[in-house]
Amino acid sequence: GAVVSQHPSWVICKSGTSVKIECRSLDFQATTMFWYRQFPKQSLMLMATSNEGSKATYEQGVEKDKFLINHASLTLSTLTVTSAHPEDSSFYICSARDPTFRQENEKLFFGSGTQLSVL
Amino acid sequence: SQQGEEDPQALSIQEGENATMNCSYKTSINNLQWYRQNSGRGLVHLILIRSNEREKHSGRLRVTLDTSKKSSSLLITASRAADTASYFCAGETSGSRLTFGEGTQLTVNP
Repeated sequence: GAVVSQHPSWVICKSGTSVKIECRSLDFQATTMFWYRQFPKQSLMLMATSNEGSKATYEQGVEKDKFLINHASLTLSTLTVTSAHPEDSSFYICSARDPTFRQENEKLFFGSGTQLSVL
Repeated sequence: SQQGEEDPQALSIQEGENATMNCSYKTSINNLQWYRQNSGRGLVHLILIRSNEREKHSGRLRVTLDTSKKSSSLLITASRAADTASYFCAGETSGSRLTFGEGTQLTVNP
């Protein structure tokens, strides 16, 4: 089946630095990818929809200048947390849609997530 | 904002028992999906039920959908210790956007 690779799986950084998270579709072209954030013991919150070749669509309350999304190719979307602060510490997960997948119940594929800890 | 609510928030059962989790949502959906998440890991897709379906089975999983009540349930039969995880429902709207419920932490005791 389709695979979405997310890297890194965990990262620790100092406050004020920027962190880039990559999400790759390994065997399909993903015109659309999604970025979620999950705080401990909470649900996933959709942050933004990443569209190849165009600007991302951010959910209400998500700062687009803080969470930079780049979807420069059909297989790669990146999320950059700029000037990270401790409150940005969270689990970030991407998902990608395979538009060619016939079986509807598997058309969205998730990465394994990135645990970000900001000191 | 999250549109889904799940209950119970936590469920602890003995191996072999059935586990039932419920989910409610607020807006119209194209389909409703259930996912499993082990602690600190990514999501595993379990089952999808379309808005025009009422019940679906997959192995030990049974999911129902009541669009009039905007609710769904997930039943895991003959539970195993390996079923211990968090379970989330997610309503899919246009553009493949998923809105997740709050989740149920299931613990299956051996």
